[in-house]
Amino acid sequence: KQEVTQIPAALSVPEGENLVLNCSFTDSAIYNLQWFRQDPGKGLTSLLLIQSSQREQTSGRLNASLDKSSGRSTLYIAASQPGDSATYLCAVSRNNAGNMLTFGGGTRLMVKP
Amino acid sequence: EPEVTQTPSHQVTQMGQEVILRCVPISNHLYFYWYRQILGQKVEFLVSFYNNEISEKSEIFDDQFSVERPDGSNFTLKIRSTKLEDSAMYFCASSEQGMNEQYFGPGTRLTVT
Repeated sequence: KQEVTQIPAALSVPEGENLVLNCSFTDSAIYNLQWFRQDPGKGLTSLLLIQSSQREQTSGRLNASLDKSSGRSTLYIAASQPGDSATYLCAVSRNNAGNMLTFGGGTRLMVKP
Repeated sequence: EPEVTQTPSHQVTQMGQEVILRCVPISNHLYFYWYRQILGQKVEFLVSFYNNEISEKSEIFDDQFSVERPDGSNFTLKIRSTKLEDSAMYFCASSEQGMNEQYFGPGTRLTVT
């Protein structure tokens, strides 16, 4: 059974810092990995999708990498801003028709002005 | 930008009652999903739906749950006889193809008393 773990569970940084969020998964037979942002009491906003054949994806100040064989992904946020404060979730999908996502517990990020 | 919508945003019901949660997926998407998030816990997959049938379902999705696409736009989740432990945020998601990026709605908070 796939297990997804995110470290750290919470992170507080001053504005302007570059930071790295970590995601690990136990079964490397994934089809893709998706990073989401969740604001308190709100839905999930998709940030980046990395296919299993890819090594990284970039969107603005965000860069996500994937090392499928070692079961790890990182989300790099450059020049953090207070508006980046949210919970960041990673989720992996299996290589099958249902495309169910298995989620990690999230990293709660606070960027202080 | 197209988005997934869900109604109601908050539903309060008594134990044993039936509830129907509604979703309007993005219009050209073919795959639909329900997930739930119990307060303080991980987001959990419930069911995926394609071509008017269930593609995959989790252990949570027992006989008390059902899904339907009653017309060309709505996608519904029905819980026949709610239990206290069904209290959670329920998220609908959709994707263009089975292995593409999933887009989530804002969620329906279900409170069972």
